[in-house]
Formats: sequence, structure tokens, C-alpha cells
Amino acid sequence: TQLLEQSPQFLSIQEGENLTVYCNSSSVFSSLQWYRQEPGEGPVLLVTVVTGGEVKKLKRLTFQFGDARKDSSLHITAAQPGDTGLYLCAGGTGGSNYKLTFGKGTLLTVNP
Amino acid sequence: EAGVVQSPRYKIIEKKQPVAFWCNPISGHNTLYWYLQNLGQGPELLIRYENEEAVDDSQLPKDRFSAERLKGVDSTLKIQPAELGDSAVYLCASSQNGQRQETQYFGPGTRLLVL
Repeated sequence: TQLLEQSPQFLSIQEGENLTVYCNSSSVFSSLQWYRQEPGEGPVLLVTVVTGGEVKKLKRLTFQFGDARKDSSLHITAAQPGDTGLYLCAGGTGGSNYKLTFGKGTLLTVNP
Repeated sequence: EAGVVQSPRYKIIEKKQPVAFWCNPISGHNTLYWYLQNLGQGPELLIRYENEEAVDDSQLPKDRFSAERLKGVDSTLKIQPAELGDSAVYLCASSQNGQRQETQYFGPGTRLLVL
């Protein structure tokens, strides 16, 4: 069974602070996706990274895929209350039967 | 464009009763997924459809869970009989062709409470 461990599990910060959340596994993934889920809604895809060492930026969010494709990080600069939500990473494996394995998530609260 | 639609949004039932959830995927999406999300956990895949065919149902507890996607569009997930431990959020997602790195679009989920 492939497991993805996310840390921290909970994070509460003030508006304007920077933060990093981590997604780690002992397994290699062909891709790594990050989702944000708000209360009462389904997860929404933020980014997909596929190449070891790849870095993608989405406004104030920076995503990195580890060189060995086993881990990833999400860095948020100058967090805003609108960034509040559950951040989930999901590792992709398989060819014809492509499957996503989700971590448990990091619940981020950004206080005004 | 309408997103993935799920109904009902909330359901409260007593244990041993049957329950059914409905999902309408994004128009033109061939692949449909049902996920289970327990409180404090990430989604776990229950079943994946390519058109009408269930191509991965290895995680579906077949003693009490069943699903169908008869015309390759809408899908229904059923639990009979429900148990207390089935209380969770049931998410439906769809993607164009189920290919690698393809975006999965999630519905808002059905929140089930079994008393």
C-alpha cells in the first residue's frame, strides 16, 4: 500500500505570514497533485507536477516535486484569509489503471 | 459549464436502512469515480468507471455497496444495509478519459450520517 504523509496536520497562522506544508512517501509516484478543499465542497486541483525536481508557481503558491519523485512541498507566501482550507496532496501511479492516492491533508487557517 | 452534480447533499438514516447517492458528471467526461472521505482523512477511491464499465472496484466493499452507470453518464452508489461506520462524505468525480495526470473534477459530496 502506498502511503502519503502530510505535515503538519494543522496550521494556524496570521495573515501575511509564510508557510510550507510537506507531503512525503517511501513510494515513487509518476505525478503529484495538490488540491484545496473548502468546507462543504469537493477538492479542487491546484497543480500537477510530473518531473523530479520540478517547481511550479501559482501566484503566491510554489510547488516542488522531489528529485526522487517521492515527496513534495507547497509554500505559500504572504498568506491571506482566502487561503484557508484543507490542502491535500495526491500521488498518481499506474498506466492504463491510473490511480490517485491521497494524503490526509493539512488544515490551514489564516487569521485576519 | 456545469460542474459535477451530486444529490442529495445530506442524508441521515438509521442503521440497517438502505441509501443511494446520485452523481451527474461533467458533460463529455467518460471517466467517473466514487470516493469515500472520512473525517480528517483524504478521499479513498471506491470505484472507477470508463463509460459503463467498472474498471477498478477493488476497494468497493461488495457485501453491502453496489454501483452502476448504466448509460455511461449518470451513476448511482448504493449501500444496503448501512452501518454506523459508513458515516462519511461520498464524493463523485469525473475526468475526460481517465488518462495519467488528467484533472479530476469533484462534486460537492453527499454527507451521510448513520444513526
